[in-house]
Amino acid sequence: DSGVTQTPKHLITATGQRVTLRCSPRSGDLSVYWYQQSLDQGLQFLIQYYNGEERAKGNILERFSAQQFPDLHSELNLSSLELGDSALYFCASSFGQGNQPQHFGDGTRLSIL
Amino acid sequence: QQQVKQSPQSLIVQKGGISIINCAYENTAFDYFPWYQQFPGKGPALLIAIRPDVSEKKEGRFTISFNKSAKQFSLHIMDSQPGDSATYFCAASSSRSWGKLQFGAGTQVVVTP
Repeated sequence: DSGVTQTPKHLITATGQRVTLRCSPRSGDLSVYWYQQSLDQGLQFLIQYYNGEERAKGNILERFSAQQFPDLHSELNLSSLELGDSALYFCASSFGQGNQPQHFGDGTRLSIL
Repeated sequence: QQQVKQSPQSLIVQKGGISIINCAYENTAFDYFPWYQQFPGKGPALLIAIRPDVSEKKEGRFTISFNKSAKQFSLHIMDSQPGDSATYFCAASSSRSWGKLQFGAGTQVVVTP
């Protein structure tokens, strides 16, 4: 058990909709990272937050946004969903802002119909 | 364009054999090279990592070999066990880019009894 909790495990929705994915980092970790895993793109870094502030941005679409709350949980918001957004979304956490992601959650599988 | 190229795509090895997975990178700014293990339905789990100041790192049956001049690194799984059957990802990042891990495409390893 990595200690990183992601909800929901599965999400099925339609094109054009908006969803929110939630992540609770491992106890004591201040950094949260979001990754997207798809068959064609593999594992892609989306965004990192450290103690509530955005620290790094990767291949995150403008339709996607994220935030980290004072209790350190994070949410990834995906809007105007397209078929191509179907993927596994992973959250990872680590203690510091300069550390690399160590503990991954089991992901949220997003299916767009 | 994938910044970390991983091979082979899949690998079948007998129990007790050696599994070898290779990765190559182009970005000379990369200074952290982790390997992750992922079982079906689970998130990646950090297995072992190396920095370019050493050429080899061993943890139990897992060894990373690193060749800075060739910009290549590899994972050796000694005495492979059926429980090692998983997908393995190499990754790389720069200390200047916080948690922006660039992942390889993954290698599915199957260890036969």
